Amino acid sequence: DIQMTQSPSSLSASVGDRVTITCRASQTISDYLNWYQQRPGKAPNLLIYAASNLQRGVPSRFSGSRSGTDFTLTISSLQPEDFATYYCQQSYSSPLTFGGGTKVEF
Amino acid sequence: EVQVVESGGGLVQPGGSLRLSCAASGFTFSSYWMHWVRQVPGQGLVWVSRINSDGSSTTYADSVKGRFTISRDNAKNTLYLQMNSLRAEDTAVYYCARDPTTSSYYRFDLWGRGTLVTVSS
Repeated sequence: DIQMTQSPSSLSASVGDRVTITCRASQTISDYLNWYQQRPGKAPNLLIYAASNLQRGVPSRFSGSRSGTDFTLTISSLQPEDFATYYCQQSYSSPLTFGGGTKVEF
Repeated sequence: EVQVVESGGGLVQPGGSLRLSCAASGFTFSSYWMHWVRQVPGQGLVWVSRINSDGSSTTYADSVKGRFTISRDNAKNTLYLQMNSLRAEDTAVYYCARDPTTSSYYRFDLWGRGTLVTVSS
C-alpha cells in the first residue's frame, strides 16, 4: 500500500497567515493526489484534485503543488472558516489511502 | 438539491451484520462511481470500498474483503454496504462519497453526513 505522510500533524496560525501543509507519498504517484478539508462534526470537502486543480466553488486562496513525491497545500491568507483538519489522498493505486491529517487551529 | 444521505447505522454485537444505505438525489446516480469511506471518531479517513457506475466492478480494502459487500440499485438511486462478521475495529462513521471520474484520478466530490456504526457487546 502507498503510505501518505502529512506534516505537520497540527499547526497554530492566525487569520491572514499563509499556511503550508505537506504530504509525502511513499512511492511515485504522479499527480494522483487530492486534498480535503474537514470541519468538526462535518463531512470532508474536496478542495484540490490532481495535485493542483481547484475544485469548483473552492476559494482561490487554496492552491496545490507537486515536487516529485512531495505535495503541498497552501492557504494564502487564512480565514476564520479555514480552521479545520486537512487530509491528502492518493488515487494512483488501490487501496486508496489518506494522509493522517493536519489540524489547523488558533 | 444534489446530495447523498446515509442510513442504517447503529449498535451491533461482534459477529453481527448490518446493511448501510446511501440514497442519492439531484444528480444522475447511474453515471457515477461510488465509494464508502469510514472514520473512527477523532481519527483519520480510511477508504473502504468502490463500485463502478453499473455495479459490475467492485474493489475492497483488505481489512473488509470477504466480510463487506458493496452494491447499488440504480433504479432506486441507492448505494449499499452489507457488513457481515463485524468486529470492534469496524466501529466508525461510514460515509458515502461520489466519484466524478470513471477511472483513475479517483476523488470524492460529494459526501454524505455519515452514519455511525458501533460494534460492541
